[in-house]
Amino acid sequence: GAVVSQHPSRVICKSGTSVKIECRSLDFQATTMFWYRQFPKQSLMLMATSNEGSKATYEQGVEKDKFLINHASLTLSTLTVTSAHPEDSSFYICSVRRRTEAFFGQGTRLTVV
Amino acid sequence: GQQLNQSPQSMFIQEGEDVSMNCTSSSIFNTWLWYKQDPGEGPVLLIALYKAGELTSNGRLTAQFGITRKDSFLNISASIPSDVGIYFCAGQLAGSGNTGKLIFGQGTTLQVKP
Repeated sequence: GAVVSQHPSRVICKSGTSVKIECRSLDFQATTMFWYRQFPKQSLMLMATSNEGSKATYEQGVEKDKFLINHASLTLSTLTVTSAHPEDSSFYICSVRRRTEAFFGQGTRLTVV
Repeated sequence: GQQLNQSPQSMFIQEGEDVSMNCTSSSIFNTWLWYKQDPGEGPVLLIALYKAGELTSNGRLTAQFGITRKDSFLNISASIPSDVGIYFCAGQLAGSGNTGKLIFGQGTTLQVKP
């Protein structure tokens, strides 16, 4: 069965608004979750590492004020795209590590119009 | 960011043919993972490898962890139309712990002609 649940799968928002994406670990507690961004026909690009109870670690070039991450519980991490612009349109995917394996959510297709 | 060198970039094959793709790096890895991604979906784990030389199968799929720990390959035998998708390798650098970040290959797009 699914290990990670991501919601919503698809969202369209107006430019300037904020969008929240949820990532849930379904059957185990995840102290760390990962957020990726994927452009069409490209590989996954790690944006940040979400740490339960502490600040997220962002990859170089990723704006922390633009992509707010909250990991308030051991089963939930959220990514909020603030003041979204059309260039933020992309496929966002979360991931959790269980032992040495990594499992991914279904992804969220964000379209900013 | 750092990426693995995955090849080929794309493949167009006839149903029933075998497929091989690989990932290489100049760095040493302690974990190799192979994923398949369908359009509009997240990647799904196919095979996980943890030891140099390890050879693991999952149905028609076989993957190996290179002896030098710098490469891995994935083979698909007797391909079928549902094998269509993008295949990614992902590795964790040696010394980065068991819950560290993964580095992804650029992906191999597979198309199968019935």
